[in-house]
Amino acid sequence: EAGVAQSPRYKIIEKRQSVAFWCNPISGHATLYWYQQILGQGPKLLIQFQNNGVVDDSQLPKDRFSAERLKGVDSTLKIQPAKLEDSAVYLCASRGGNEKLFFGSGTQLSVL
Amino acid sequence: AQKITQTQPGMFVQEKEAVTLDCTYDTSDPSYGLFWYKQPSSGEMIFLIYQGSYDQQNATEGRYSLNFQKARKSANLVISASQLGDSAMYFCAMRELGNDKIIFGKGTRLHILP
Repeated sequence: EAGVAQSPRYKIIEKRQSVAFWCNPISGHATLYWYQQILGQGPKLLIQFQNNGVVDDSQLPKDRFSAERLKGVDSTLKIQPAKLEDSAVYLCASRGGNEKLFFGSGTQLSVL
Repeated sequence: AQKITQTQPGMFVQEKEAVTLDCTYDTSDPSYGLFWYKQPSSGEMIFLIYQGSYDQQNATEGRYSLNFQKARKSANLVISASQLGDSAMYFCAMRELGNDKIIFGKGTRLHILP
């Protein structure tokens, strides 16, 4: 079974630039999560999708972050404009019918 | 409100000893699940073990067991016979079945000493 795919693996940008991350969950997984993990901390939930609908985005800084999952499959997370404090690993995860949460390899973002 | 607390930022344990990583939680949802994930220096998130709130017995997976004390709202991970490869960050997480939201604790960095 193919895992959760994320790209790019690494991204370096300057502050005030924009950036987008892509995630393709495991086929058939209805629930998709985006997490932000700052170095040395636990993953922080940014947004949760059920199919193509948003279930929870209470922790998403909506003035600069946006996310979509138009066809209920892959998803993109965008930051515009980026700030220094956005430097982190962005993890995408998906869940199917059982309890286990499957993670992608993450995108490591550095904002200079 | 949904909350996970891991109070041990770091632990040092001698190889082959057992280790307990603490996790307490808070939720108003009577139906929930508790997870433990391991994150080595490579950054991947590795699923270790899961415990449902209505499960009668504590979960076990090989050397991993979850000491679930519902009244105390604790879900400690026990690793028996620790190995050098167990050195990593360990995260406790909780899923509320009502909204499917999964949140993580701040983690515990475990160092296994030879």
